[in-house]
Amino acid sequence: DAGVIQSPRHEVTEMGQEVTLRCKPISGHNSLFWYRQTMMRGLELLIYFNNNVPIDDSGMPEDRFSAKMPNASFSTLKIQPSEPRDSAVYFCASSLDRQGQPQHFGDGTRLSIL
Amino acid sequence: AQKVTQAQTEISVVEKEDVTLDCVYETRDTTYYLFWYKQPPSGELVFLIRRNSFDEQNEISGRYSWNFQKSTSSFNFTITASQVVDSAVYFCALRGYGGSQGNLIFGKGTKLSVKP
Repeated sequence: DAGVIQSPRHEVTEMGQEVTLRCKPISGHNSLFWYRQTMMRGLELLIYFNNNVPIDDSGMPEDRFSAKMPNASFSTLKIQPSEPRDSAVYFCASSLDRQGQPQHFGDGTRLSIL
Repeated sequence: AQKVTQAQTEISVVEKEDVTLDCVYETRDTTYYLFWYKQPPSGELVFLIRRNSFDEQNEISGRYSWNFQKSTSSFNFTITASQVVDSAVYFCALRGYGGSQGNLIFGKGTKLSVKP
């Protein structure tokens, strides 16, 4: 079975550019999560969707970050304009919407903003 | 408030040694779920196990075993006869019952290095 698929795996871009990260959740999973991982802060939940609807975006750092889920099989996380402090590994995860179901993670996107 | 503490930042062992990774959690929920994830050097996060608060039976899967003790709020992970491929960062995580599905609280992780 295909796992969570993220693209790109690596992204290097200059400060001020728009960055779009993509995620395809596991088929049948109706909850989708975006995380950011840094050395300083560890794993942080940015936003999560249930049935394509954003439920909790309290972790989104600021207005430069936005996320969408136009359908059950695709989500994007956009940063515009990007800044060097946005450099991190961004993970997408999905799960079934039932109590205690584990989240399954993609391989992550390693983002470097120069 | 919910919290997960992995006091061991880094552990280094020699191959074939047994090693235990500690996880202590805090929650006021009577129903909750505990998880372990593995992050190898390649960077992906791999789900290892889930435990719910009503099931205190220890779990064994090959060389991996987990000891859940509610009395001490601990969910420790033991690798028997460690191998170089076990080298990774291991995360313990907690989720309470109800509320936000996104409310998965991760510990800071323990970096395990297994040397040949």
